[in-house]
Amino acid sequence: NAGVTQTPKFRILKIGQSMTLQCTQDMNHNYMYWYRQDPGMGLKLIYYSVGAGITDKGEVPNGYNVSRSTTEDFPLRLELAAPSQTSVYFCASSNGDRDHTDTQYFGPGTRLTVL
Amino acid sequence: GESVGLHLPTLSVQEGDNSIINCAYSNSASDYFIWYKQESGKGPQFIIDIRSNMDKRQGQRVTVLLNKTVKHLSLQIAATQPGDSAVYFCAEMTSGTYKYIFGTGTRLKVLA
Repeated sequence: NAGVTQTPKFRILKIGQSMTLQCTQDMNHNYMYWYRQDPGMGLKLIYYSVGAGITDKGEVPNGYNVSRSTTEDFPLRLELAAPSQTSVYFCASSNGDRDHTDTQYFGPGTRLTVL
Repeated sequence: GESVGLHLPTLSVQEGDNSIINCAYSNSASDYFIWYKQESGKGPQFIIDIRSNMDKRQGQRVTVLLNKTVKHLSLQIAATQPGDSAVYFCAEMTSGTYKYIFGTGTRLKVLA
C-alpha cells in the first residue's frame, strides 16, 4: 500500500491564481481530512469527509473547497490564492473507528507559497 | 472556542533520560486523545492514543497519562534516543464529531 499520497510536493502561486491539491489513499478509509500547518504551529482542520459524497467544514474553511466523488480521492481547491494561504497542507485518512484506535495516516504534505 | 495547547515549546533532554511532554485541553467534552510525532519535512505520525475512560496507557517506550480533573495529558518517553528528536503534538476529539483539534506542538531535542 502506498498509503496517503499528495501532489504536488511544492508549488508557488501568484495572488489570485487557483489550483487543486490532490490527495489519494489506497486503504479504503471512509474518513479523509485536509489540514494546514503554518510555520511553528499545529495543524488546523480545513475540511473533512466521512465518505464519498459527504464533506463538511473544519476550523478554517474560508478560501477553500473540496469534493469527494470517490472513496480514494479528496482534492482541495483554492480558487483565489492569497498570501495568507501560504502554508504546508496535509491530507489524512482514517478508518473512523470510534470504539478503538482511530489512527490518522498523513500524506507527506504540499508546501504552498503565494506571492 | 475549544483549544488544545502545550506548556513547553522546546524540551531538551540527554540521550538515555526520560522525556515528559505535557498538553492541556480546555474542552471537557473531549473524550479521545492522540499523540503524534512529526519529523522535519514529514507528516505527523501516530504514536499512542487514550480514551477518557482510561487514566494511563502504555506502548513501546511511551506512556500517555490523562488527568481529566485538570484537563491535562502527558506523553512520557523512556530512555530517549536521538531518533526521538521531533515535534510532538497532542490532539483531541469529541465523540459524535469528526474533528480533531491539534495543539501547537513541543519540539523535543535529544542531546548526545
